Amino acid sequence: DAMVIQNPRYQVTQFGKPVTLSCSQTLNHNVMYWYQQKSSQAPKLLFHYYDKDFNNEADTPDNFQSRRPNTSFCFLDIRSPGLGDAAMYLCATSPERGSLGQYFGPGTRLTVT
Amino acid sequence: AQSVTQPDIHITVSEGASLELRCNYSYGATPYLFWYVQSPGQGLQLLLKYFSGDTLVQGIKGFEAEFKRSQSSFNLRKPSVHWSDAAEYFCAVGAGQAGTALIFGKGTTLSVSS
Repeated sequence: DAMVIQNPRYQVTQFGKPVTLSCSQTLNHNVMYWYQQKSSQAPKLLFHYYDKDFNNEADTPDNFQSRRPNTSFCFLDIRSPGLGDAAMYLCATSPERGSLGQYFGPGTRLTVT
Repeated sequence: AQSVTQPDIHITVSEGASLELRCNYSYGATPYLFWYVQSPGQGLQLLLKYFSGDTLVQGIKGFEAEFKRSQSSFNLRKPSVHWSDAAEYFCAVGAGQAGTALIFGKGTTLSVSS
């Protein structure tokens, strides 16, 4: 089945230790998104890629970076995780920007110790 | 600025009863509107979407939603709730470039009692 896959599902990292979260998709969608969802809150868009074009949200901290080496994969890098970065990180895709809705992966829950 | 309001934080409905979850949006142009459902520890699943045309849209799992421009609302309904419908429900508006950025409401938690 075509889908959005996130690995790992659970990640524990230490304060200040860089961590990378992975997302892959078999939908062949042009757009890939990363959202942060803190406990009992709505998802918040961090950035998105339209093909290789990177689009950062204005209020996304510099601590968060992303890479998209090819159509199928997208990575979220947190350079120096703080306790406040503990959250669920959701990857999503869409065929084109906006109109058709976004398809979400199961998420990676990040714990910072 | 675009925003979405879900007035009800938590709703409890008896199994078999009807359901309506409220959503109000603020957006300058014709909005792209979505409802997503999230089960505990899971990602979001798209239930339905509205872009234009018929203001009553049908989605998966027996859900429907009605767009009312005059009330800036996009309420989600289901005629008969099942225990498996217990989850978090998010209303979202597509904003930014061609609706790329999804602005989510804070969500409504649905509990289903037997």
